[in-house]
Amino acid sequence: ETGVTQTPRHLVMGMTNKKSLKCEQHLGHNAMYWYKQSAKKPLELMFVYNFKEQTENNSVPSRFSPECPNSSHLFLHLHTLQPEDSALYLCASSPQGDRLRDNEQFFGPGTRLTVL
Amino acid sequence: SQQGEEDPQALSIQEGENATMNCSYKTSINNLQWYRQNSGRGLVHLILIRSNEREKHSGRLRVTLDTSKKSSSLLITASRAADTASYFCATDQRGSYIPTFGRGTSLIVHP
Repeated sequence: ETGVTQTPRHLVMGMTNKKSLKCEQHLGHNAMYWYKQSAKKPLELMFVYNFKEQTENNSVPSRFSPECPNSSHLFLHLHTLQPEDSALYLCASSPQGDRLRDNEQFFGPGTRLTVL
Repeated sequence: SQQGEEDPQALSIQEGENATMNCSYKTSINNLQWYRQNSGRGLVHLILIRSNEREKHSGRLRVTLDTSKKSSSLLITASRAADTASYFCATDQRGSYIPTFGRGTSLIVHP
C-alpha cells in the first residue's frame, strides 16, 4: 500500500452519464495529481493541485472537471465522455510542489474507466 | 511534452539474469526517478538520483546517471519472476517540479 487510495477501481459508463473518481492520500502531502494512462502511450499529466490550488491544467477537455476540497482529497468529475477517454486514471501525491525539493510521487492503484 | 525515453521497449530474460534498462532525456534536470508498474496497477517509486550524483543502489537495483550524455540506466541484478513489470523513468526539467514520464520498458522474467 502506498498510502493513496482510489475509488472506484473499475467504472463502466455511458457517454451521457455523470460520474466522479475519488482519490485520498493519508501521507500528509500537499501536492496531488491526476494522470491518464492509455495503452501504448506515455503517462499523460492532466491536473496538478498544490496546497489545494490548481497549478496545472494540461489542456484537458472540459468534460473532465477536477476538484480539490482539501490537501487530502482529489476528485475528477466526468460528464459526456467519449469512448477514447477509456483508460486507467491514476492519482498521485507528493510532499509539495517545490522544485527545490525531491519530488517523489506516490500513486494510487488507479481507476480503470470504460466509456461505452 | 515527453522528456524521458526508455530503451528497450520490451525485455525478456530468464530468472537469475541481470536486466538493464536505459533512459535518455533532452533537457537539464534536477533529478531523475525510476518507477515500476505491475499490470493495471499504480506506479511504485523505486529510486531517485539527483543531477549531482552518478550512481545509486537500493537492494538489487543500481541506477547510474550521466548528465553529459543525458542518460540513465537501471540495472536489476539476479532477476526474479516477481520483477516482471513495466519500468518508467521520470525526469523533471529545471524550473519545474513536475516529473515527466517516458513510455516505459516492459520487462518479463521467465521462471
